Parts: sequence; structure tokens; C-alpha cells
Amino acid sequence: GQNIDQPTEMTATEGAIVQINCTYQTSGFNGLFWYQQHAGEAPTFLSYNVLDGLEEKGRFSSFLSRSKGYSYLLLKELQMKDSASYLCAVRAGDYKLSFGAGTTVTVRA
Amino acid sequence: IAGITQAPTSQILAAGRRMTLRCTQDMRHNAMYWYRQDLGLGLRLIHYSNTAGTTGKGEVPDGYSVSRANTDDFPLTLASAVPSQTSVYFCASSPGTSDYNEQFFGPGTRLTVL
Repeated sequence: GQNIDQPTEMTATEGAIVQINCTYQTSGFNGLFWYQQHAGEAPTFLSYNVLDGLEEKGRFSSFLSRSKGYSYLLLKELQMKDSASYLCAVRAGDYKLSFGAGTTVTVRA
Repeated sequence: IAGITQAPTSQILAAGRRMTLRCTQDMRHNAMYWYRQDLGLGLRLIHYSNTAGTTGKGEVPDGYSVSRANTDDFPLTLASAVPSQTSVYFCASSPGTSDYNEQFFGPGTRLTVL
């Protein structure tokens, strides 16, 4: 199985930057995904990394280091609507996704 | 509107009863998945299907069964529900199983077993 760790909760101020870390141990690696999930809703795709480095998509960026088993999701210029859970998921050698427990981000005015 | 639908939205069920959660997608995706989401545990894979006619077991398959008779539908059946199956169930699909294929999630079914 996979072992995926991410912080349970984070709080930040509107307009600030927050970095959500994810560490993983996996047998085989075929990519790392970040999903956003608002309370009571379905997860929605944010980003995908398979090679080392930074992927930027507007206010959101995701970084991957395969040698360190480490990723982070960077949320810039935080808005109230960014209050949600952020799920780190690893695709292992069997192509199935394993999810971390999620990080709940609360944005305060 | 293209996407994934799940039914019912929520259900309260007596222990021992049989229940089928329905999932339909109209994106012609080959792969489909069932997850359960419990507080503090994240999403856990119950069963999956890489293509119509095939299914496989995920991380927590006990007490659940699935079928994939066609591309669009992927029902999940609880043969005899138990309280530990109280959870939010998400169905998901992806175009295939290639590395870059993201999964698209349905709105979820909130199931309570008493």
C-alpha cells in the first residue's frame, strides 16, 4: 500500500500564500495529483505532476521531488472561496490512486 | 450536461438490508471507480473497472460488489449493510488508466446504516 502524509489543517489570511506539503512512500510511481474538495461536494482536479519541478496554473502551483517523495501545493493570493480541503493523491505502479486524508484550509478575512 | 451522476443523493438504511448505489457517466470513459470517504481517512478505493466487462478489488472491497455490463454504468451493491458502511460514497471515472488521466468525481451518496 501507499503511505501519504499531509497536514490536517491550515489557516491563512485572505491575500496571503499557503503551502500544503505532501510526503509519500509508494511502490512504483506514476504521478501525483492534487484535488480540491469544498465541504459537501465532490473532489475536483487541480494539478498533476510526474516529473520533478514546478507546474504553475494561475494562482495555484504544484511541485514534485520524486527522489524525496515530496510534493507541495502553493496557493497564492488567497481568496475566501479557496477555503476547502486539498487532497494529495499518488498513482502507484498499478495505476490506482491512493489519497491522503486531506488538508483543510481556512481562509480568514 | 456531460458528467457523472449518482443516485440516491442520500439514504438511511437498516442494517442487514441490501442496497445498490447507482453511478452513470456519459463521457464514454473506459475506467470507473468507487471510493468511500470517512473523516480522517480520506478517499479509499473499494472497487474499480478498467473497461466494460472487467472489475477489480481496491483497498476496502469486503462487503461490496460491483458490475460493469456497459461503459456508462457502474453500480455498487451492499449485499447486507452494516453500520461500519456508513460513509460518503463517490463514483469516479477517467478516460483510461494512463499516467496523466485525471479522475472525474460524481456528487456523492451519503449513506447511513443504522
